[in-house]
Amino acid sequence: GAVVSQHPSWVICKSGTSVKIECRSLDFQATTMFWYRQFPKQSLMLMATSNEGSKATYEQGVEKDKFLINHASLTLSTLTVTSAHPEDSSFYICSARQGQLYEQYFGPGTRLTVT
Amino acid sequence: EDKVVQSPLSLVVHEGDTVTLNCSYEVTNFRSLLWYKQEKKAPTFLFMLTSSGIEKKSGRLSSILDKKELFSILNITATQTGDSAIYLCAERDFGNEKLTFGTGTRLTIIP
Repeated sequence: GAVVSQHPSWVICKSGTSVKIECRSLDFQATTMFWYRQFPKQSLMLMATSNEGSKATYEQGVEKDKFLINHASLTLSTLTVTSAHPEDSSFYICSARQGQLYEQYFGPGTRLTVT
Repeated sequence: EDKVVQSPLSLVVHEGDTVTLNCSYEVTNFRSLLWYKQEKKAPTFLFMLTSSGIEKKSGRLSSILDKKELFSILNITATQTGDSAIYLCAERDFGNEKLTFGTGTRLTIIP
């Protein structure tokens, strides 16, 4: 149980284009999903928290117009990196939680490379 | 701002050795301390610690929390090459429930 998937697992895009990453909870309903970013040899940094049906809460320093998060259903959240630049190249990981009393379960991550 | 610091940043030991990884935290609204193992992909959950002084154990891994001194340790005994990974600790807040991760300890086990 408690499986979270991400798609795609890796993506290469050109500078200036947008890319969408999906995060799905496969066997539970996730009331809250979290998006993290991890640069090489660094730890995970929380980007935003999204609750189903409401707007995401972004961490300080994360541009909400650049990183669009949608959590339209209890099993799916999407992160769209708009007008991507090479400095956006990173490992993006989502996690999902069934409720406040439950743990966060992490997806396998998406490696984004912007050329 | 919440802060989680891990030490050492990296550690190389021989198979069979015992290692102790450290995690200290400075947070305003502490709920629990979590340990994860990360091998190339997303972190996998190891332990969640909420109370001081109570050791959690899983096979060769164990962990304990000291809420007075604001730190936790993760012990791995009789290490194996499969233990090579980055070990992350994270603090979990009350209220917003978000996780603040430490910098991680990169553990390498030499056969």
